[in-house]
Amino acid sequence: DQQVKQNSPSLSVQEGRISILNCDYTNSMFDYFLWYKKYPAEGPTFLISISSIKDKNEDGRFTVFLNKSAKHLSLHIVPSQPGDSAVYFCAAHSNYQLIWGAGTKLIIKP
Amino acid sequence: DGGITQSPKYLFRKEGQNVTLSCEQNLNHDAMYWYRQDPGQGLRLIYYSQIVNDFQKGDIAEGYSVSREKKESFPLTVTSAQKNPTAFYLCASSIGRQILQPQHFGDGTRLSIL
Repeated sequence: DQQVKQNSPSLSVQEGRISILNCDYTNSMFDYFLWYKKYPAEGPTFLISISSIKDKNEDGRFTVFLNKSAKHLSLHIVPSQPGDSAVYFCAAHSNYQLIWGAGTKLIIKP
Repeated sequence: DGGITQSPKYLFRKEGQNVTLSCEQNLNHDAMYWYRQDPGQGLRLIYYSQIVNDFQKGDIAEGYSVSREKKESFPLTVTSAQKNPTAFYLCASSIGRQILQPQHFGDGTRLSIL
């Protein structure tokens, strides 16, 4: 039973356009959400986070939106760059543990 | 240059053999974690440690063991009791579990069965 779901295994976006990565969750007790980025043969690196008391957090080209009623969050990358090609993981915090989604592979086309 | 070092990068295990994965951090972090990643799945927590000489089971601890004798080291042993050990193993650390600080990851160890 996956509590955090990333339903798109992969996403292809033209360079310069907006990339939107989605994440759905089932547990309303999750109070904090994080996005991590992972390149092949490397560990994930922290990208951006959002508390459940907010609906938006922005950091440069990256914005995370949280819709608590829909139990949905999304990561927007604008504009998309070739270096953004990676696997993106959504993770949710509950009881001092992180529950991870399966990841979405983002491919930025030149 | 602070970070987390995992070794080896690739490891092969024979049937019935125990193997140990190394994880060292020089970030002065109190909390350390071991995760397992299988294809098409998210990371799953094996064990975590909040402080030296203390560790707790995660969701999939069966067939694994850990120790935390030093703050900077958190080795993971994959025992012969783990019947499906082939996976990508990631070690992480954070300042503490009480504060929601992002976890910093090593580059992983890929374990395969011979």
